[in-house]
Amino acid sequence: GAVVSQHPSWVICKSGTSVKIECRSLDFQATTMFWYRQFPKQSLMLMATSNEGSKATYEQGVEKDKFLINHASLTLSTLTVTSAHPEDSSFYICSAPPQDSYGYTFGSGTRLTVV
Amino acid sequence: AQSVTQLGSHVSVSEGALVLLRCNYSSSVPPYLFWYVQYPNQGLQLLLKYTSAATLVKGINGFEAEFKKSETSFHLTKPSAHMSDAAEYFCAVSENGNNRLAFGKGNQVVVIP
Repeated sequence: GAVVSQHPSWVICKSGTSVKIECRSLDFQATTMFWYRQFPKQSLMLMATSNEGSKATYEQGVEKDKFLINHASLTLSTLTVTSAHPEDSSFYICSAPPQDSYGYTFGSGTRLTVV
Repeated sequence: AQSVTQLGSHVSVSEGALVLLRCNYSSSVPPYLFWYVQYPNQGLQLLLKYTSAATLVKGINGFEAEFKKSETSFHLTKPSAHMSDAAEYFCAVSENGNNRLAFGKGNQVVVIP
């Protein structure tokens, strides 16, 4: 089945710095990528949808200037958390729409801790 | 807009006993329904999915789910729980199987030896 590689798996950064999370589709071209955020013991909440060649679509309440999403190519989508604060600490997961019978493909997630 | 309801955030089950996780959905169009499992600090793994074919869907690791339109439900079951089934389980719905997923709040399953 299709594979999405997400890096880094975990990152610790200081308040005020920026962190970039990458999701790469390894064996297929992903024109769309969904970005989710998951707080401890909670469900996944869709933050935004990135589309190759156009601007990302953000969900209501998500700060566009804080969470910069770039779909640079058909195999790479990135999420940059700018000027990170402790409340941005969370688990971030990307997902590509179904490419085959296996369905949606999820990255392994990134645990972000802002200190 | 579609939505999913999962009741009971924590579910405890004895090893060898039936696992039953309930999921009810709301959708304005015939839904595509999914069950995912998540282990700590990992991504989501697909257990099974319903895409308007057979109403009884069999998935991996002995899990299955039945789509009941009249009850707007898609409950997940496994006849005999194993220790390795301890994880977080999410029910999700999509309008067309290709669009954004809406997730339920999840069930944390604890298996008691």
